[in-house]
Amino acid sequence: NAGVTQTPKFQVLKTGQSMTLQCAQDMNHEYMSWYRQDPGMGLRLIHYSVGAGITDQGEVPNGYNVSRSTTEDFPLRLLSAAPSQTSVYFCASSYSINTEAFFGQGTRLTVV
Amino acid sequence: KNEVEQSPQNLTAQEGEFITINCSYSVGISALHWLQQHPGGGIVSLFMLSSGKKKHGRLIATINIQEKHSSLHITASHPRDSAVYICAASLAPGNQFYFGTGTSLTVIP
Repeated sequence: NAGVTQTPKFQVLKTGQSMTLQCAQDMNHEYMSWYRQDPGMGLRLIHYSVGAGITDQGEVPNGYNVSRSTTEDFPLRLLSAAPSQTSVYFCASSYSINTEAFFGQGTRLTVV
Repeated sequence: KNEVEQSPQNLTAQEGEFITINCSYSVGISALHWLQQHPGGGIVSLFMLSSGKKKHGRLIATINIQEKHSSLHITASHPRDSAVYICAASLAPGNQFYFGTGTSLTVIP
């Protein structure tokens, strides 16, 4: 089992560029979510999914899109990158409610 | 608004000391989680609690549902315990997490 795999680990974007952060899990988990971590702000929820085809917004969804076409993958799309999106992004998955969550190693994104 | 409050923000201890980190929450939760993050590293789950108390080695986590409060204790602290400890509440429907801002722990030999 690889667990939760995030790619890339590091990325530098120019303002206005788009990109997709990849998240994949091989544990057959239904629940997946994306968070961003900023100094002094802690981790904040961007989007989450309770299964293939079902997604919902979290605390800070603006500027990000998600889709969930398979159980394994939950990509996060930045439509037009802004410096305010400079952050470390974490993906997490869990089997169901009241179960342990597994986190990816994070993607450090810098928007210049 | 911050629905999960954690204290202290920073903590320095001498090796061998007993450490307590506190967490309070204001939302109806499915479970309360304690996580560990080493500098530059990923996030690892230490405990998931919905009631009572759990123990793994030198780590103990407790939760009081009525008071909406949880504590993480480290007995006989060691320099390798130096990390950021994060309290998080998981909510329905998606087991999504709402996090405290973390406690940065440094244990000095």
